[in-house]
Amino acid sequence: SQQGEEDPQALSIQEGENATMNCSYKTSINNLQWYRQNSGRGLVHLILIRSNEREKHSGRLRVTLDTSKKSSSLLITASRAADTASYFCATVPYTAGTASKLTFGTGTRLQVTL
Amino acid sequence: GAVVSQHPSRVICKSGTSVKIECRSLDFQATTMFWYRQFPKQSLMLMATSNEGSKATYEQGVEKDKFLINHASLTLSTLTVTSAHPEDSSFYICSAGPLAEQYFGPGTRLTVT
Repeated sequence: SQQGEEDPQALSIQEGENATMNCSYKTSINNLQWYRQNSGRGLVHLILIRSNEREKHSGRLRVTLDTSKKSSSLLITASRAADTASYFCATVPYTAGTASKLTFGTGTRLQVTL
Repeated sequence: GAVVSQHPSRVICKSGTSVKIECRSLDFQATTMFWYRQFPKQSLMLMATSNEGSKATYEQGVEKDKFLINHASLTLSTLTVTSAHPEDSSFYICSAGPLAEQYFGPGTRLTVT
């Protein structure tokens, strides 16, 4: 079942601005991952943050995780038109034997204009 | 990174026919693969977990007799949509990964007329 909710559902910004997307989930997790999907295409893995981590960086991406609030955020700094895509958070439950079973959030559609 | 392929990328079939979709891990072995379905402008919903050499595990509400999964080798899983109906039209995506990180195939767009 789909357990994550993301907000906003859609976000439109200008190139150079920062984009922040939030994800909330319901159950205990092993890790949380962020993915990007261009329209009609497969998903690209962006970053994975484990339940014992609070913040992680990768290039222009910054992810935070607050397990007490069951929430995560993805920040894309200095956005580019090529960042236009849908972004999904996905959680892996804290249950043995389901290490890679992902439950996806509802997604945020990001539009970056010139 | 690891590569997962899917074939075909697009398929159109008539109502009542069956369609097979292949998912391959190209540079690693995958004892487990996952099949997802995505409707337009919606998120991915896990359909089933494909296990090499054993039966697939289906999520609640997914008909195992309609969506047949075969994972006959460590690099190939197939999803067969049997007796397809227009409401089965969707984007089907598989994933696999050597570790916790999952790599997704490019997806298969199924249209049932």
